[in-house]
Amino acid sequence: DAKTTQPTSMDCAEGRAANLPCNHSTISGNEYVYWYRQIHSQGPQYIIHGLKNNETNEMASLIITEDRKSSTLILPHATLRDTAVYYCIVRVMGRGNTGKLIFGQGTTLQVKP
Amino acid sequence: GAGVSQSPSNKVTEKGKDVELRCDPISGHTALYWYRQSLGQGLEFLIYFQGNSAPDKSGLPSDRFSAERTGGSVSTLTIQRTQQEDSAVYLCASSLAGHTEAFFGQGTRLTVV
Repeated sequence: DAKTTQPTSMDCAEGRAANLPCNHSTISGNEYVYWYRQIHSQGPQYIIHGLKNNETNEMASLIITEDRKSSTLILPHATLRDTAVYYCIVRVMGRGNTGKLIFGQGTTLQVKP
Repeated sequence: GAGVSQSPSNKVTEKGKDVELRCDPISGHTALYWYRQSLGQGLEFLIYFQGNSAPDKSGLPSDRFSAERTGGSVSTLTIQRTQQEDSAVYLCASSLAGHTEAFFGQGTRLTVV
């Protein structure tokens, strides 16, 4: 699975959008981009995933560049409860051929009042 | 059950003893993962079971570590002759085959004294 590069830490003001970048320059055509987060002392939580189109759900939006070498997770209105470590993962996913989830060091997002 | 269940939630053991950690995945989930997370560190992949395929054991740190999954459901992670560096939170996750989202348990905190 391709490696990802994320900033170690970021701050965001409460109520503002949090934009978390991820570089995955060696991503293959059959690899998806996933985002998980881990709030202190809890197991990781799935946020969103995408292949090449931008995606949005109730938690966040995922913007993937046209060349797929980088992406940005957007939390549109960050709250204090969004303070967590955010992991960007690339992974092969398909019927009968699902790659393992490999977590990097992630980005520690601190939402401040 | 409604989610991934791990037991025990906490385990204190003496150096040199063997320990078994249990994971009950979500019913019907064919994929199961084990991870280890040391204090202040990211998630370290250990092993991945995918349906009837041979497990991916590439993350097991030594031959003291082993895991099995009986009947495609419950999994047990065994650590033999525990060492102090084995102290960590051990997390289990499960997902549907080829599905996007992996659900994590709350983990077992292992302390080797």
